[in-house]
Amino acid sequence: DTAVSQTPKYLVTQMGNDKSIKCEQNLGHDTMYWYKQDSKKFLKIMFSYNNKELIINETVPNRFSPKSPDKAHLNLHINSLELGDSAVYFCASSQNYGYTFGSGTRLTVV
Amino acid sequence: AQSVTQLDSQVPVFEEAPVELRCNYSSSVSVYLFWYVQYPNQGLQLLLKYLSGSTLVKGINGFEAEFNKSQTSFHLRKPSVHISDTAEYFCAVSERSSASKIIFGSGTRLSIRP
Repeated sequence: DTAVSQTPKYLVTQMGNDKSIKCEQNLGHDTMYWYKQDSKKFLKIMFSYNNKELIINETVPNRFSPKSPDKAHLNLHINSLELGDSAVYFCASSQNYGYTFGSGTRLTVV
Repeated sequence: AQSVTQLDSQVPVFEEAPVELRCNYSSSVSVYLFWYVQYPNQGLQLLLKYLSGSTLVKGINGFEAEFNKSQTSFHLRKPSVHISDTAEYFCAVSERSSASKIIFGSGTRLSIRP
């Protein structure tokens, strides 16, 4: 049973394309997040949703649009992909200060 | 706002030697503290966390950390490392409020030499 699952695990795409990454958690957590890990392993928060409501929106280009259809899902859509978007994207969920991370989606823009 | 500083980007140690990975944090409010481990090409796994109570926290794989409020530190230690401990280690902090984001340090790469 995967607690936080992301799909796809790997994504290779050309510049200018639009792509989506999906995330689902089966922990019953109220809060979900998207983090970006760059090539130097630095992890930075992008968005957070609590019960389908956006509560954190860091300085992220508006080409990135999160969507939460219900509290178990938080998807990330990226428009007009750029080379600099290449990174590993991690989904996470939390409840009562316990954070659980997905295994990551490695996005490569060529 | 909170911030986390991991003073060492890389720590090489010999197998069976002790190790300490340093972490300092900055915050104007009370915080929770975490250590995560990331093995090569894998996701993040929680090693241990400090929420309240005893300042010495024991985690998985023989790791422990000590919360020091006066020094605003949360250093991670293991008395004897194994080759399998080779990984990236991240210290992290979050505010003591629900639905708060977790802020990560820049990571420390622990490499174990036989």
